[in-house]
Amino acid sequence: SAVISQKPSRDICQRGTSLTIQCQVDSQVTMMFWYRQQPGQSLTLIATANQGSEATYESGFVIDKFPISRPNLTFSTLTVSNMSPEDSSIYLCSASPGTGGRVDTQYFGPGTRLTVL
Amino acid sequence: AQSVTQPDIHITVSEGASLELRCNYSYGATPYLFWYVQSPGQGLQLLLKYFSGDTLVQGIKGFEAEFKRSQSSFNLRKPSVHWSDAAEYFCAVGGATNKLIFGTGTLLAVQP
Repeated sequence: SAVISQKPSRDICQRGTSLTIQCQVDSQVTMMFWYRQQPGQSLTLIATANQGSEATYESGFVIDKFPISRPNLTFSTLTVSNMSPEDSSIYLCSASPGTGGRVDTQYFGPGTRLTVL
Repeated sequence: AQSVTQPDIHITVSEGASLELRCNYSYGATPYLFWYVQSPGQGLQLLLKYFSGDTLVQGIKGFEAEFKRSQSSFNLRKPSVHWSDAAEYFCAVGGATNKLIFGTGTLLAVQP
């Protein structure tokens, strides 16, 4: 398994600003993922972040809005840019030891609760 | 299209009663199935998973789930619910890409 921490745990931001969320894993993992959970909704995958390559974004999510970094095998960041109230959500990071060629368990962080005013 | 359906948005059970949460999936390839639990203000915790083999899988906290390929189902069960089980439960399906598709969740309330 993997233990994942996220910072900040919550934040309240003004419209038009940006917030960077950090995700730290206690062991080296191949794949990391970023999800959004809008109020009362399920989880939607934003992007997959593999170390050493560009993040792969899902339909409806773009790099300009959600730039992602993956500088090493234990850390990733997600930036929510030019925020609007519609970006108010919980953002969750997950990690998987899997290489992408086979399925493996994803372990989740506690999430970052973002409110945009 | 790949999807996961959790038909029950909200379920209330009495403490000590049995529980079954339904999950149906649509997936073109061999499905890998997961149940996660999310307590208020928390992230997701893995309860159990099915990759292959025995179709009845045991998880943490006394939960179990049964994979029924003919019914495209992966229902979660617990014989006796505790008040601490009150939370939201998510079923998810994944494949070789390691991407997960989540259901909409079932919110469980436990009455004393």
